[in-house]
Amino acid sequence: GAGVSQSPSNKVTEKGKDVELRCDPISGHTALYWYRQSLGQGLEFLIYFQGNSAPDKSGLPSDRFSAERTGGSVSTLTIQRTQQEDSAVYLCASSSPGYGYTFGSGTRLTVV
Amino acid sequence: AQSVTQLGSHVSVSEGALVLLRCNYSSSVPPYLFWYVQYPNQGLQLLLKYTTGATLVKGINGFEAEFKKSETSFHLTKPSAHMSDAAEYFCAVSARNQGGKLIFGQGTELSVKP
Repeated sequence: GAGVSQSPSNKVTEKGKDVELRCDPISGHTALYWYRQSLGQGLEFLIYFQGNSAPDKSGLPSDRFSAERTGGSVSTLTIQRTQQEDSAVYLCASSSPGYGYTFGSGTRLTVV
Repeated sequence: AQSVTQLGSHVSVSEGALVLLRCNYSSSVPPYLFWYVQYPNQGLQLLLKYTTGATLVKGINGFEAEFKKSETSFHLTKPSAHMSDAAEYFCAVSARNQGGKLIFGQGTELSVKP
């Protein structure tokens, strides 16, 4: 696609429910990144994929968070048993050597 | 390990005045440095980046930044502020051996007064 697409753009969920956030990277981009932007914490790295492998998942805040990437393309970030502190904007980016880094518009997650 | 410090969470300038947003970094390896801008309710847009070579980097919308290794700084400047520059600005660092992972500063909100 022309850009990085994230869905949904907004998600309101009840505390304790699981949520899935989707990222469609730019076609052909080999690397994919997830970040979280929240008040008081700024922009935090969560995890990055090279192809379908995740060499660095050091930013995942707890074992309630997981992510996968299939076919070297779409990625899903899953948050289990959501807590209010998970409320944030979740940003995805993709890149490829020589093609720079492009961010999506994010998914705003609100846990009530 | 890398880290980024942006001095001043909020900067206010008059239209036409110089914009100076400060960024200092820490990196154990030669860094790549970036400035991103975020307009309200929008994603992050790359303003400029330093990888290697010339230390004065020019970006979009008249912004530029200078990599100063001795000062571990990468301050962002624009000679004359425009109302449309009002936004949040993020400095970021990455290392060549970390797969492109970005470490961001806390951000600086720029206000431009008429």
